[in-house]
Amino acid sequence: AQSVTQLGSHVSVSEGALVLLRCNYSSSVPPYLFWYVQYPNQGLQLLLKYTSAATLVKGINGFEAEFKKSETSFHLTKPSAHMSDAAEYFCAVISNFNKFYFGSGTKLNVKP
Amino acid sequence: EAGVTQFPSHSVIEKGQTVTLRCDPISGHDNLYWYRRVMGKEIKFLLHFVKESKQDESGMPNNRFLAERTGGTYSTLKVQPAELEDSGVYFCASSHGAETQYFGPGTRLLVL
Repeated sequence: AQSVTQLGSHVSVSEGALVLLRCNYSSSVPPYLFWYVQYPNQGLQLLLKYTSAATLVKGINGFEAEFKKSETSFHLTKPSAHMSDAAEYFCAVISNFNKFYFGSGTKLNVKP
Repeated sequence: EAGVTQFPSHSVIEKGQTVTLRCDPISGHDNLYWYRRVMGKEIKFLLHFVKESKQDESGMPNNRFLAERTGGTYSTLKVQPAELEDSGVYFCASSHGAETQYFGPGTRLLVL
C-alpha cells in the first residue's frame, strides 16, 4: 500500500532563508514521487517528480528534492526563499494503477 | 495548449440539492481523474476514467456520487442528494500516459 506523510502543516521562513519541506512515503513498489504546489486560488502545479532516474531532482522555481530510499524520504528544498514561494505544497506517491496518494499538505509562509 | 478546466469554480447549495461538476481535460488525454479535498485534509482519489470507461472507482464515497465521461472527452461528477460532509474542493486531473497528472483549478463546493 502507498501513503505519504508530510511533517508540519505550516512552515514559516524568512525571505532568503532555506526552505525545507519534509515528506516521507510508504510504498510496496518502487515509488514514483511528486511535489505539487498550489498558489492561492489556483490549481495544483507540478513542481518536480522522481521516476527512478537521478535521486536528486530539480524542479521549477529553484526547488529540488532528493530521493533517499534508506530513509523513505523525498524532502523538498530551496536554498533561498522568495515571497512568491508562499503557497501550499503537496507531496504525492503514485501507485502502479495511476492513483495518486497525497500528503495532507504544508503551507509555506515567507516573512519579509 | 489549454490546461484542465473545471466548472463551476464555486458552488453553494443546500443539503438535499443536486450539484453537477464538470471537467474538461487536456485535449488528447485519455486518462481523467477526480479527487477531493475535504476540510483541509489530504487530497483523496475518487475515480479514474480511461476514455469513457471507469478504470477505478474505488474512492467514490457512496452511491450519491455519479461520474460520467460520455464520448471520452469531458466528465461530469454529480452529487445527489448533497450532504454537509460533501463540502470540499473537487479536483480533476488528466494525463496522457501513466505518470504526470495535470490538475485543474478545482471546484469549491459548500453544502449548507
